[in-house]
Amino acid sequence: EAGVVQSPRYKIIEKKQPVAFWCNPISGHNTLYWYLQNLGQGPELLIRYENEEAVDDSQLPKDRFSAERLKGVDSTLKIQPAELGDSAVYLCASSLGRRGNDEQYFGPGTRLTVT
Amino acid sequence: QKEVEQDPGPLSVPEGAIVSLNCTYSNSAFQYFMWYRQYSRKGPELLMYTYSSGNKEDGRFTAQVDKSSKYISLFIRDSQPSDSATYLCAMATGTASKLTFGTGTRLQVTL
Repeated sequence: EAGVVQSPRYKIIEKKQPVAFWCNPISGHNTLYWYLQNLGQGPELLIRYENEEAVDDSQLPKDRFSAERLKGVDSTLKIQPAELGDSAVYLCASSLGRRGNDEQYFGPGTRLTVT
Repeated sequence: QKEVEQDPGPLSVPEGAIVSLNCTYSNSAFQYFMWYRQYSRKGPELLMYTYSSGNKEDGRFTAQVDKSSKYISLFIRDSQPSDSATYLCAMATGTASKLTFGTGTRLQVTL
């Protein structure tokens, strides 16, 4: 069974440019998460989807970040415009359900460098 | 103060040693406690999962939860070079799957 797929794996952009990350969750997983992981830190939740609905986006900086999960499968996270402080790894995860004991499976992440 | 505190290390041990990794937390609503392993340039993968207080053993790994002290531990017996990775503790409440992670402890097992 394929795991969570993310692309691109690496992205280097100049500040003020837009950037988008794509995630394909494990087949059948209804819940999808986007996490931000800074160097030397644990992942922090940006947004959580249950099917197509964003049920927790309280940590998403909405002035520059946006996300969508059309048809409740793939998801895209966008930053526009990017800032130097956005340099980090963006992780996508998925789980079958939405409770605390539902195992989350992580993708390899997209490493973003903003210059 | 962060909800979850974890010593970032790095921790260096010789092969065969017993490793103890720890996290403390402040949110009494946490019910599910997890340990994730993250290799360099990879996503975290679930290693151990425990519910409420007690011990859980899986091969060379033992997870321990003490809710009265708000303290969780992961023990690795007979550590191997392949155990070299960053270990992240994570916690969740019962009603939502939002994970709160520690900062991670970087472990190096040397030959």
